[in-house]
Parts: sequence; structure tokens; C-alpha cells
Amino acid sequence: AQSVSQHNHHVILSEAASLELGCNYSYGGTVNLFWYVQYPGQHLQLLLKYFSGDPLVKGIKGFEAEFIKSKFSFNLRKPSVQWSDTAEYFCAVAQGTYKYIFGTGTRLKVLA
Amino acid sequence: NAGVMQNPRHLVRRRGQEARLRCSPMKGHSHVYWYRQLPEEGLKFMVYLQKENIIDESGMPKERFSAEFPKEGPSILRIQQVVRGDSAAYFCASSSDRLRTDTQYFGPGTRLTVL
Repeated sequence: AQSVSQHNHHVILSEAASLELGCNYSYGGTVNLFWYVQYPGQHLQLLLKYFSGDPLVKGIKGFEAEFIKSKFSFNLRKPSVQWSDTAEYFCAVAQGTYKYIFGTGTRLKVLA
Repeated sequence: NAGVMQNPRHLVRRRGQEARLRCSPMKGHSHVYWYRQLPEEGLKFMVYLQKENIIDESGMPKERFSAEFPKEGPSILRIQQVVRGDSAAYFCASSSDRLRTDTQYFGPGTRLTVL
């Protein structure tokens, strides 16, 4: 069965530090990949997505992710985090056309 | 994507009661998906519906759970005779189509607590 692994469950950073959150998936076929963010008390919001093409994907709020097919990875990065980036981040893989498989999430806390 | 509405946001039920969760998709979206997030776990797919049709309910528990998306009105996820293990966050998502390149937009979730 497909699975998505997010190895970092809790991350604490100081403002201006660089961020990289890991995401690995198990499916070997064609995949759609997503990163969602959930700010405290809010809904899941799409940060970025990869369907095809350039494996380096730019998202909102300065986030980017790189799809490395050989490593089955789709890591999320941001060069300089802000306090407002405190949230929970979810990586997801689309199985077929609609069945998303989510990782367990990474809770990021940014210290001011 | 704030257009996906879910209510209530928080729901408390006692064991044996029924829980009804509602989801209104984004305007123009006719595809609705329900996911469940148990504590310390990722979101798990439950069911995919189009208007008046259940397309895929492979993630739904076989008993006590049902879902509908009527011609008029919101999609409803219904849990009968709730048990403590049903306590979770239930998320609804919608999309405009089921194409491979379509994106699901999520609502804020309903947090169900079973006492």
C-alpha cells in the first residue's frame, strides 16, 4: 500500500532560520504531490503542488519543494522562516486521480 | 479555498448518539471528499461523492458510517451510535473535476469529541 512519511513530527526554529521538512512516499508510479499547511484554528491551505514538469516547485509565502523521483522525495523548503509560519505542515500524494494519502504532519514552531 | 464550509466546527456527542457533519463545497465544485484525522495520524480518505452518487467509499467503516451528497444542499457525513474511537477531526474537500491534475480544497474540519 502507498504510504507517505514525514520524519520530523515537531520542529522548532528561530526566526530567519532555514527550513527543510522531509517527505517520502512509497508509490512508484506517476504521482501528484502536495504540501498543505494548517495554521492554528484554520483550514488546510494548499502551499504548492507538483503534477509534472520542473521538479522545483514554487509555492505561496516563499515556500518551495523539490521532487526527486529517484529518492521518492518531495521536501519542503523555505530559506528564512517567520513567526507567522508557525503551523502544521502536511505532505500528500495523490493515488490515482482523487485519493490523497497524507503524511502524519509536521508541527513547526517558530520562535520570535 | 476558504469557500469550502463545514459545520459545526466542534461537535460533542455521548456514546450511542448520532453525529451529523455537513460540508458545502466551493462554488462550482461538484466533487466532495471526506477525510478523517485520528489523533497523531495523517488524514485518511473515507469517501468520494458526486451529486446524488457515491463514487468510492472504500475508506468508510462498514458499519455506522454513511455519506450523502443530495441534489440540493450540503454533503452529510453521518455517524450512528458513536463510540469513543470516532473522536477525530473530519475534513471535507471539494474539487471541480476528478481529473488527475485537479486539486482538492479543504474545509476547516469538524472536531468530533465522543464522551
